[in-house]
This record gives sequence, structure tokens and C-alpha cells, in this order.
Amino acid sequence: AQSVTQLGSHVSVSEGALVLLRCNYSSSVPPYLFWYVQYPNQGLQLLLKYTSAATLVKGINGFEAEFKKSETSFHLTKPSAHMSDAAEYFCAVSGGSGYSTLTFGKGTMLLVSP
Amino acid sequence: GAGVSQSPSNKVTEKGKDVELRCDPISGHTALYWYRQRLGQGLEFLIYFQGNSAPDKSGLPSDRFSAERTGESVSTLTIQRTQQEDSAVYLCASSDRQALEQFFGPGTRLTVL
Repeated sequence: AQSVTQLGSHVSVSEGALVLLRCNYSSSVPPYLFWYVQYPNQGLQLLLKYTSAATLVKGINGFEAEFKKSETSFHLTKPSAHMSDAAEYFCAVSGGSGYSTLTFGKGTMLLVSP
Repeated sequence: GAGVSQSPSNKVTEKGKDVELRCDPISGHTALYWYRQRLGQGLEFLIYFQGNSAPDKSGLPSDRFSAERTGESVSTLTIQRTQQEDSAVYLCASSDRQALEQFFGPGTRLTVL
């Protein structure tokens, strides 16, 4: 069984500040981990993925995430927030097979103020 | 190429009516997934197709929900005798063996009055 916990349903930052969105997972097998972003009235877009290669994963739009097995975490970061980053972010885990279903967290809404 | 498309984008129906939601995956993607997103919630897995068969139906919430896929392409999610708690955004995704990534459609927003 797999599960994902995202701490904080809402995170507020100022433009230019560090973005940190937290994700902890549980999985009975070595996981694959994903971060997706959802802009209003749109589908989900993949930001980055961890598939057992490098533990520090770089994604689109300047985001990155680090897989920490000892902490069962996969937190998403960006050094400097931009207004266009305001969206909902979802962390997801799969069982490591190419066709495994994804288990999603409940999402974190990122608010960016000028 | 074209992404995943879903229709309709919005559907308003009365309680007790049946609805059909359509998903057109990316051409050549053999895996197709349906998810439900309720207001303020994460995505809830409903069903997964590999080709035209559905090896995992574990997420369907009741026997009012069914789905089929034909020609290893388009899929239809049917909800019979809709209830107000069925109101949600229904998202479809597809993937191929190599990518691992699931590509999502824009969703169908279902409102049951």
C-alpha cells in the first residue's frame, strides 16, 4: 500500500522568496515519486519525477526535489518564487512499475504575493 | 502531437440521470487512467486500462460507475443514477511504457443538481 502526505493545504510566499512544499510518502516497495502542478481549470502537468536514479531531481520552471529515503520525503523547492508559480501542487507515488497507478496527496495551493 | 482530450468540459445533470464522460488518450499510449477530483481533495484513482482490458477497477466507488475502452483508444466513463456526491472533476490520463509519466487531460467538471 502507498500513501502520500502533503503538509499544508496552503503555502504563502512573497515573490523572490524560497518555495518549499513538503511531501512525505509511504510505500512497501521502492517508490517512484512525482510532482505535478495544476493551474486553474487545467489538467495536471508533470514538474519532475524520481525513478531511482539521481536523488536530486531537477524539473521544469526552476523546480527541484530531493529524494531522502531515510526521511521518506520528496520535498519540492524553488530558490525564487515568481507570480506565475501560483497554482496547486500535487505529490504522487507509484509502486515503481511503469503501469502502476499513482497515489496522490491532497495538494498544496501555492500563493505568491508581490 | 495532440494531448489527452476530454469531453464535455462541463456537464450539469439532474440527480438520478445517467452521464457519459469521454477520454481520447494520446495516440499510441496503451495505458489509460481515470481519476476523480473532489473540491479541496487530491486525486482519487478510479480505474486503469491496459489496452482494452481493465486489470484494476479497485477505485470505482460503486456499481453505478463503469468504464470501457475500445480500439485501445477512446474510453468512456459512465455514471448511472447520478447522486450529488458524484459532483467532481473527472480527469483522464494516459501513458506509454517508456515514459512512466502520466499525461493528463483538462478534465470534465460534473455538477449533479
